[in-house]
Amino acid sequence: GESVGLHLPTLSVQEGDNSIINCAYSNSASDYFIWYKQESGKGPQFIIDIRSNMDKRQGQRVTVLLNKTVKHLSLQIAATQPGDSAVYFCAEKARAQKLVFGQGTRLTINP
Amino acid sequence: NAGVTQTPKFQVLKTGQSMTLQCAQDMNHNSMYWYRQDPGMGLRLIYYSASEGTTDKGEVPNGYNVSRLNKREFSLRLESAAPSQTSVYFCASSFITGQGLGEQYFGPGTRLTVT
Repeated sequence: GESVGLHLPTLSVQEGDNSIINCAYSNSASDYFIWYKQESGKGPQFIIDIRSNMDKRQGQRVTVLLNKTVKHLSLQIAATQPGDSAVYFCAEKARAQKLVFGQGTRLTINP
Repeated sequence: NAGVTQTPKFQVLKTGQSMTLQCAQDMNHNSMYWYRQDPGMGLRLIYYSASEGTTDKGEVPNGYNVSRLNKREFSLRLESAAPSQTSVYFCASSFITGQGLGEQYFGPGTRLTVT
């Protein structure tokens, strides 16, 4: 079936360290993946996406890695800042234009 | 550009009452979506509209109806609210290309409590 899950529900990192948020998906036919950031009281905000024909994509301070062999997705945030505190969701495009969202990982930054 | 706007921001209903959640986007997107988010969970798709004039069920459509009023507006109606519909509702829009891909832009959400 189509499901997206996360290995860890919470992640705590020191300011300035790199953060790695993981995500597993089950639908091998999925061809598009997105990472969203959701701050408290706000709607999800797009961070970065990746198509299934890619293994890696980089943005500003963020990198998404896709391992189709083990159906695993990760988001790496470099030099984590206090403003990075949020819940991070991975989403998988399944049938048609439907996105299936994971449970989310709460990232907290320690000063 | 205001992006995606939703009204109201907060609402309290009694069981059995009805209401309509409004959503509008000014980005000329062709597709629009309604999600609900329960505490500690990801977003679940209620209904979506791939283009003006079409609507389709998502993962959790029971108890809801939608109307794609025009290209800009997509409303969600609860005909007889139930406590299980207490949630935060998000509207989103995207521009779907021929490749079938499109980033979804989300509104700020409507926090609904049904007592």
